[in-house]
Amino acid sequence: IAGITQAPTSQILAAGRRMTLRCTQDMRHNAMYWYRQDLGLGLRLIHYSNTAGTTGKGEVPDGYSVSRANTDDFPLTLASAVPSQTSVYFCASSSGTDTGELFFGEGSRLTVL
Amino acid sequence: GESVGLHLPTLSVQEGDNSIINCAYSNSASDYFIWYKQESGKGPQFIIDIRSNMDKRQGQRVTVLLNKTVKHLSLQIAATQPGDSAVYFCAENNNFNKFYFGSGTKLNVKP
Repeated sequence: IAGITQAPTSQILAAGRRMTLRCTQDMRHNAMYWYRQDLGLGLRLIHYSNTAGTTGKGEVPDGYSVSRANTDDFPLTLASAVPSQTSVYFCASSSGTDTGELFFGEGSRLTVL
Repeated sequence: GESVGLHLPTLSVQEGDNSIINCAYSNSASDYFIWYKQESGKGPQFIIDIRSNMDKRQGQRVTVLLNKTVKHLSLQIAATQPGDSAVYFCAENNNFNKFYFGSGTKLNVKP
C-alpha cells in the first residue's frame, strides 16, 4: 500500500549520539513535514519542505536538521541527541495543492538516555 | 506562534450517543481547519476539513462547525461507535503548508 514509510520504528539512543530518522513517500507529494508528539503537547512542527530542494523551520527546530534532495525522501537528523528529544516523531506529506490533508507515517519512537 | 487548544482533554460518551469535541484557536488569520483522528500506536488520519468562508461542513457521521467570531470549532460525531475511540486533534493553517495542531482530546466510547 502506498504512503509514508518511516524508519526505524523505535530506537534507544545514548545522549550525544547522532541519529537520522528516515522518511520516504511514494505519492509524489510536494510537501513533507516532521512533527514530534509529546504527551499533553500534541503535535509540534519541527521542519517542513514545500518542495524538493527547499526546507523551512517549524515551531521547534532547534537540535534538528532536514534535507530534501528529492521528492520522495525527507530525513530528519539529530546531530547530538539530548534526553529532551525523547519523543514520537511523525513524518507527513501533502500534495501541497488546495487541500490540507496530511498523510502521516506510523511514527518513530525515540528514547534518548 | 499559533495557539490551538482544546477545552476538554478527555470525553467519555455512551455508544450510540452523539459526541462533540471542541477546539479553540487564537490566530484570527487562520483560514483553514482540519480534524484528525489518532488511534493508539498509529499516525493521525484526516477526518474532515473546513475553510474560513464556511461555518459548517458535513461528512459521513461527522460535522464540523466553525465560529470565527469566537475562534472556535467543533467536531460532532453522530451515533458514536466503539471504533471512534481515539484522540482527536484540530489543526489550523494560515501559512501555505504549515499546520499547527492542538493538544488533542481523548474520546472514550463506553459500550
